[in-house]
Amino acid sequence: AQTVTQSQPEMSVQEAETVTLSCTYDTSENNYYLFWYKQPPSRQMILVIRQEAYKQQNATENRFSVNFQKAAKSFSLKISDSQLGDTAMYFCASSEYGNKLVFGAGTILRVKS
Amino acid sequence: EAGVAQSPRYKIIEKRQSVAFWCNPISGHATLYWYQQILGQGPKLLIQFQNNGVVDDSQLPKDRFSAERLKGVDSTLKIQPAKLEDSAVYLCASSGLVNYGYTFGSGTRLTVV
Repeated sequence: AQTVTQSQPEMSVQEAETVTLSCTYDTSENNYYLFWYKQPPSRQMILVIRQEAYKQQNATENRFSVNFQKAAKSFSLKISDSQLGDTAMYFCASSEYGNKLVFGAGTILRVKS
Repeated sequence: EAGVAQSPRYKIIEKRQSVAFWCNPISGHATLYWYQQILGQGPKLLIQFQNNGVVDDSQLPKDRFSAERLKGVDSTLKIQPAKLEDSAVYLCASSGLVNYGYTFGSGTRLTVV
């Protein structure tokens, strides 16, 4: 069974600085996808970034990038130039063959001015 | 494109009462998911539909929860009778067959008192 572990319940960062959120996962499949989702107080789950396991190149989306270490089954999210609007709960998730998403417990990120 | 629609947004009921949630997915999305998100935790899959057939309901408490997806479009999730531990946000998501993209609704926050 696939599992996702986020070991940081809470993180804080100063505005304009960089922060890294950690995630480890486990799967027995070769075809899988990894995701980071942002959930603000509105509850809307917003896709931040996605990584296909067969791609060696780390995904990037503007200020967001990942460090995908396939052998170590690690998938961390780096947020550069943090903004107040980045304050939210962040979830790491995995999907085998594009099937159901399995989520970690989440990390609360607080950006301070 | 229009997002995933869910209603109601909030619901408060007494224990042992029944409640129903409604979800209208992205047009053309064959797969529909219901997730339960308890406060402070990551979403947990309750049931997955492919068109109007059930793909995975292994974590659905079938003695009290039921779900249907008539005509492979809208879906309804019902709880009868509700327990205090059912207090949670119920998220609906849908996905198409291309790029394994998932779209989430804004969720229904259920409080059982």
